[in-house]
Amino acid sequence: AQKVTQAQTEISVVEKEDVTLDCVYETRDTTYYLFWYKQPPSGELVFLIRRNSFDEQNEISGRYSWNFQKSTSSFNFTITASQVVDSAVYFCALSVATGNQFYFGTGTSLTVIP
Amino acid sequence: NAGVMQNPRHLVRRRGQEARLRCSPMKGHSHVYWYRQLPEEGLKFMVYLQKENIIDESGMPKERFSAEFPKEGPSILRIQQVVRGDSAAYFCASSPQMDRPYGYTFGSGTRLTVV
Repeated sequence: AQKVTQAQTEISVVEKEDVTLDCVYETRDTTYYLFWYKQPPSGELVFLIRRNSFDEQNEISGRYSWNFQKSTSSFNFTITASQVVDSAVYFCALSVATGNQFYFGTGTSLTVIP
Repeated sequence: NAGVMQNPRHLVRRRGQEARLRCSPMKGHSHVYWYRQLPEEGLKFMVYLQKENIIDESGMPKERFSAEFPKEGPSILRIQQVVRGDSAAYFCASSPQMDRPYGYTFGSGTRLTVV
């Protein structure tokens, strides 16, 4: 069975602080994909990143970076120098090559205080 | 190239009425998925369809819910005799055959409120 855990329900930071959102996943499949989505107050889902299980290289995109570690089954997301516009709910998700669906975590609500 | 189109964006129904949610996949995408997001929760898979076929409905409630993806036209998620607990955001996603199961594109969702 597949499972995604986002233990942090809510996080508040002051603008310009760095913040890391944790994601731990469970799967026995050897080929799988990990995702992060942002859900702003308007409600839509904004795709941020996809990684496959064979690519553990960390990725940086502007103020965003992702740390994928298979040894700890984690795929953490860091926002550097946070901004008010980063306030949103962030979801981590998992899909497996043999399956038909995404498995979402319960989300982390990030509030950036000006 | 338009994304996944869902309509309506907001839908209000009284208890006992029917709700119909529409999803037009991206051009060239032949696979459609429906997810439900209850308040304060993550998205949960409901059903996966290809044209004229339901492939996986393991996440669909056993009663009152149905989905279709006809040869022509959008995919429809139908909820009969809605109850307050059906109030949620319903998201549709689509993918092309070659990019399953990672090449999803999500729509903006339909927010259903049952009063």
